[in-house]
Amino acid sequence: TQLLEQSPQFLSIQEGENLTVYCNSSSVFSSLQWYRQEPGEGPVLLVTVVTGGEVKKLKRLTFQFGDARKDSSLHITAAQPGDTGLYLCAGNSGTYKYIFGTGTRLKVLA
Amino acid sequence: GAGVSQSPSNKVTEKGKDVELRCDPISGHTALYWYRQSLGQGLEFLIYFQGNSAPDKSGLPSDRFSAERTGGSVSTLTIQRTQQEDSAVYLCASSVGLAGVDEQYFGPGTRLTVT
Repeated sequence: TQLLEQSPQFLSIQEGENLTVYCNSSSVFSSLQWYRQEPGEGPVLLVTVVTGGEVKKLKRLTFQFGDARKDSSLHITAAQPGDTGLYLCAGNSGTYKYIFGTGTRLKVLA
Repeated sequence: GAGVSQSPSNKVTEKGKDVELRCDPISGHTALYWYRQSLGQGLEFLIYFQGNSAPDKSGLPSDRFSAERTGGSVSTLTIQRTQQEDSAVYLCASSVGLAGVDEQYFGPGTRLTVT
């Protein structure tokens, strides 16, 4: 069974701080996605990474796919209250089925 | 354009009753997923529809759960004889159906509470 573990589970930081969220598995994925979910809404896709070692940037967010395509990280620089939410990674093995991670709940305090 | 819509947004039901949850996907999306999310945690895959192919029902937790998709569009998830452990947010997503790099568009979910 493929599993995606995210760490930390919860993170509360002050505005302006940097943070990194991790998504780890013992399985290899052909692609990995990161989503953000706000209360009362469904997850919204932030990025898809498909190549081992790939780095993608989205404004203050930097996403990296591990060389072995078993793990990924999300780094946020100078966090803002608007970054608050539940961050989910989702791995895919080339089919339609996505395995979602356990989630990291981020709260950024003003 | 319109996104994925789900109804009802909230449903409170008594243990043992049946419930129906509805999902209206984005027009033209051939793939449709149902997920279950407990207590703001990760998403648990329930079922997948793609065009006219047989659905992948491998994630349905018991035979009390069923789903159908009519005319390749609207989908209904039915839970019979609800139990308290069925309480969760049920999310629907649709996509164009590109395996591996698909972007799933999620609805806001239905929060089900079984008392």
